[in-house]
Amino acid sequence: NAGVTQTPKFQVLKTGQSMTLQCAQDMNHEYMSWYRQDPGMGLRLIHYSVGAGITDQGEVPNGYNVSRSTTEDFPLRLLSAAPSQTSVYFCASTYHINSPLHFGNGTRLTVT
Amino acid sequence: AQKITQTQPGMFVQEKEAVTLDCTYDTSDPSYGLFWYKQPSSGEMIFLIYQGSYDQQNATEGRYSLNFQKARKSANLVISASQLGDSAMYFCAMRAYNQGGKLIFGQGTELSVKP
Repeated sequence: NAGVTQTPKFQVLKTGQSMTLQCAQDMNHEYMSWYRQDPGMGLRLIHYSVGAGITDQGEVPNGYNVSRSTTEDFPLRLLSAAPSQTSVYFCASTYHINSPLHFGNGTRLTVT
Repeated sequence: AQKITQTQPGMFVQEKEAVTLDCTYDTSDPSYGLFWYKQPSSGEMIFLIYQGSYDQQNATEGRYSLNFQKARKSANLVISASQLGDSAMYFCAMRAYNQGGKLIFGQGTELSVKP
């Protein structure tokens, strides 16, 4: 049972480049979310999804796109990377809104 | 709008003593859930405890208990008999049920346990 799998673990981008952070879960969870973690800021919600085909914005959505074509996958796209997007990104999922999130191990992204 | 506030950036506690980590929240939704997570230096997020807004009793999980004061909108985490392995970041989080899958986190408290 893999749980929530994020790839890559580390990534370095140049300003203006685009990339996709991958997230997959094998628990048949309907709810999936992307967070970014910056020192002193806690985890801030970027985008979330309550099921395949349904996504919504979180607290800090600008500069990021998501889609949810399957229950298992929830990729996060950076359209044009900026140094302000240097952060640790976590993907998480849960099967019910009053159940705890299962987190991936994170992606450490540096934008130079 | 939902909001979670953790006012203690850092805390120290002596090994084997109890410690309380503060969390206050704000929501207009009468139905919500409160969560605490631990993040050790290795970076993974570990779920500790959950409290529903309609739960009559405070949640407990082993050495963790949640001091839920609904009228004051506070959900403090109490760790009894602290251990060196409890040194970590601790995050309080809330999900209002009319917000769907939107779980919002506080800024975190860094706990250091002294031997």
